[in-house]
Amino acid sequence: DIVLTQTPLSLSVTPEQPASISCKSSQSLLSNDGKTYLYWFLQKPGQAPQVLIYEVYKRFSGVPERFSGSGSETDFTLEISRVEADDVGVYYCMHTLQFPVTFGGGTKVEIK
Amino acid sequence: EVQLVESGGGLVQPGRSLRLSCTASGFTFEKHAISWFRQAPGKGLEWIAFIKSKPHTGPTEYAASVRGRFTISRDDSNGVAYLQMDSLKTEDTAKYYCARDVGTFWGQGTLVTVSS
Repeated sequence: DIVLTQTPLSLSVTPEQPASISCKSSQSLLSNDGKTYLYWFLQKPGQAPQVLIYEVYKRFSGVPERFSGSGSETDFTLEISRVEADDVGVYYCMHTLQFPVTFGGGTKVEIK
Repeated sequence: EVQLVESGGGLVQPGRSLRLSCTASGFTFEKHAISWFRQAPGKGLEWIAFIKSKPHTGPTEYAASVRGRFTISRDDSNGVAYLQMDSLKTEDTAKYYCARDVGTFWGQGTLVTVSS
């Protein structure tokens, strides 16, 4: 199984400041079709997860431009350019390269 | 608007069965795969089952933790997916979510508690 390791475990951010979360995969997530199957989700308190980013850097419909994804092969990053109060929650990376689909352990983001 | 609504959760004794439903609306159900995920209290997310859409063929997929005990199925005529859960264990206690494809849209989840 592919193991995704997220760092840091938690992040306390001042509003309007940037934030960055790392996700490292135990193997390359680059598929034979040329796509890299790495997603980012945000789970706000008491809510279901919502997709932010798919295929490393593609923002899902309605996701603010302050969220961006980057990376390749085994190393990926989610960046929030200017954190807002509404961004609090737990962020997860997930791969869909093969079954089983697996998640990173999550990064809890809170506002200072 | 895409909507997925889970139902069927509740309190069940170890060893018993439960069937969850996922009722979809707002999209062409038969054209999309469906996944089930779960989240144990205070824990992270776990994918557990996947079923393809027509005309794709092939087996359903399961996480090792539920393979042989859980069965995913779908009723395209009614826009509903199911998760049949047999031989339930206390460690299956979690909120269960269905999602379109492998997580583009999620329902709000239904809580399953396995306890004697």
